[in-house]
Amino acid sequence: AQTVTQSQPEMSVQEAETVTLSCTYDTSESNYYLFWYKQPPSRQMILVIRQEAYKQQNATENRFSVNFQKAAKSFSLKISDSQLGDTAMYFCAFMNNNDMRFGAGTRLTVKP
Amino acid sequence: DTAVSQTPKYLVTQMGNDKSIKCEQNLGHDTMYWYKQDSKKFLKIMFSYNNKELIINETVPNRFSPKSPDKAHLNLHINSLELGDSAVYFCASSQVMTGEAFFGQGTRLTVV
Repeated sequence: AQTVTQSQPEMSVQEAETVTLSCTYDTSESNYYLFWYKQPPSRQMILVIRQEAYKQQNATENRFSVNFQKAAKSFSLKISDSQLGDTAMYFCAFMNNNDMRFGAGTRLTVKP
Repeated sequence: DTAVSQTPKYLVTQMGNDKSIKCEQNLGHDTMYWYKQDSKKFLKIMFSYNNKELIINETVPNRFSPKSPDKAHLNLHINSLELGDSAVYFCASSQVMTGEAFFGQGTRLTVV
């Protein structure tokens, strides 16, 4: 089965600054999806950004962007202009053939 | 109109009891999942179903039995509940072509 590794259990950033969350994964598949999900204290899982493995261009969604390095099996999330509302758990996820696996998560705190 | 809905949202029960959690999606997705999120926030896949067919059964005790009467519903029945079953259980659905998974609001199960 695929594995997803998030090596940063906790991170903090000052409001308006930029922060990057790391994620690596292990797979022998060539076609798959990668995601970043946000889980605020409300526990709702919210999709932040999505990347198809066959697309070389990095996905962006407003203040959120990814650095997808397929050969290195790396998928980091950059949050620009951090806001207090970005404080949450962030999960990296890998999906292929009805199988979706998550990393252990990174707890991000945005400080005023 | 809620895309993926789980009931109940909270469940408190005694050890040894049997309980069910219901999940319904109105997105027309083919694949549905159950995840367990433990106290450390780790999201572990339990089951995935595609068009009512079991695809993944991830080393889950036999006390857990998923049931998919149709592709819009995936219920989770748990027999002989144990203290270690206390967790948040998430239902999710996805479409293979788009990959994105939508989550229910989670069910916090507390076994006392």
